[in-house]
Amino acid sequence: NAGVTQTPKFRVLKTGQSMTLLCAQDMNHEYMYWYRQDPGMGLRLIHYSVGEGTTAKGEVPDGYNVSRLKKQNFLLGLESAAPSQTSVYFCASSYGENIQYFGAGTRLSVL
Amino acid sequence: GQNIDQPTEMTATEGAIVQINCTYQTSGFNGLFWYQQHAGEAPTFLSYNVLDGLEEKGRFSSFLSRSKGYSYLLLKELQMKDSASYLCAVRDPLTGGGNKLTFGTGTQLKVEL
Repeated sequence: NAGVTQTPKFRVLKTGQSMTLLCAQDMNHEYMYWYRQDPGMGLRLIHYSVGEGTTAKGEVPDGYNVSRLKKQNFLLGLESAAPSQTSVYFCASSYGENIQYFGAGTRLSVL
Repeated sequence: GQNIDQPTEMTATEGAIVQINCTYQTSGFNGLFWYQQHAGEAPTFLSYNVLDGLEEKGRFSSFLSRSKGYSYLLLKELQMKDSASYLCAVRDPLTGGGNKLTFGTGTQLKVEL
């Protein structure tokens, strides 16, 4: 049972490049989330999804897009990366609004 | 607004007891979670409180007072592996419906010999 798997684990981008972060969960959870974690700021919610085909904005959605085409996958896209998007990105999933289970994170640097 | 306060750092001795406090001011309240996060790793769930009182789970206990906007995490019989960041998170309503977790910045606990 893998839980929540994030790919890639590390990535370096140049300003203006695009990329997609993939999150996959094998727990049959309906809810999935994308957070970013920055020093001194705690985890902040970017976007979330309460089921296949649905997405919604969180606290800091600007500059990001998401898609949930399959229940087990939640994709986070950066269309035009900026240095301010340098961060550690965590995906999480939950059964309803209960305990959230987190992936190992993606460390992204935008130069 | 949303505000969750935790001490930034704490140091304790192996075998001792440590209490990590969390105070919160949020627009709503539907429960409080504690997570543990080792350096470079994912946060992992420790405890959940929605009603006032103490929840005990092995060496870890968590307390909640909703009237005071206050919670603490109590770690007993500290071990070196308990050195980690401890995140307090409040479940509060989203504008468009549903709930989200608002996280504090975490308390970095260092356990020394």
